Amino acid sequence: EADIYQTPRYLVIGTGKKITLECSQTMGHDKMYWYQQDPGMELHLIHYSYGVNSTEKGDLSSESTVSRIRTEHFPLTLESARPSHTSQYLCASSEVSGGAYNEQFFGPGTRLTVL
Amino acid sequence: AQSVSQHNHHVILSEAASLELGCNYSYGGTVNLFWYVQYPGQHLQLLLKYFSGDPLVKGIKGFEAEFIKSKFSFNLRKPSVQWSDTAEYFCAVKTSYDKVIFGPGTSLSVIP
Repeated sequence: EADIYQTPRYLVIGTGKKITLECSQTMGHDKMYWYQQDPGMELHLIHYSYGVNSTEKGDLSSESTVSRIRTEHFPLTLESARPSHTSQYLCASSEVSGGAYNEQFFGPGTRLTVL
Repeated sequence: AQSVSQHNHHVILSEAASLELGCNYSYGGTVNLFWYVQYPGQHLQLLLKYFSGDPLVKGIKGFEAEFIKSKFSFNLRKPSVQWSDTAEYFCAVKTSYDKVIFGPGTSLSVIP
């Protein structure tokens, strides 16, 4: 079944650790996104990608980095986690627009807590 | 700056009551409009979308929304809510710059 997967679902980690949040999709989509969402707040786009070897920064400045070596995989990395990184991280994908404005499909999210 | 606002942060209704959630955006160009819903413990999923044509769009589970261009609004409605509609609702706008902006969300609680 086509879907978007995120692991881990929950992560509690100490300050200074390096972490990678995984996102994979079997939707066959070219475009992928990472959003950051604090409780009760809007989603903020932090990274997106149009396809393999394409990565762009979103509206919200983030110390995280992303890579897109394979179409279906879009991991997000924090080299040194800090308490200010505590948030929920949502991965999404969509078909490349090409003139058509397609909706995004979301993963279940990773809730990150940095102590 | 482009933004999306939602009128209510938290709405509490009894079952069978009518629902209207407000959404306004600030962008003067062509837009595509979406309402997403997040049920407790589930993924964000699309409720309905507007691209062009009839400004009244129908979505899943009896929801509908009306695009009023002159008011920059895209309000979500449902004539009779059920307990299972308890969820977080997000309005989103996609601009001609291929950028999607989400509103802050409205939490709906339906009391049986």
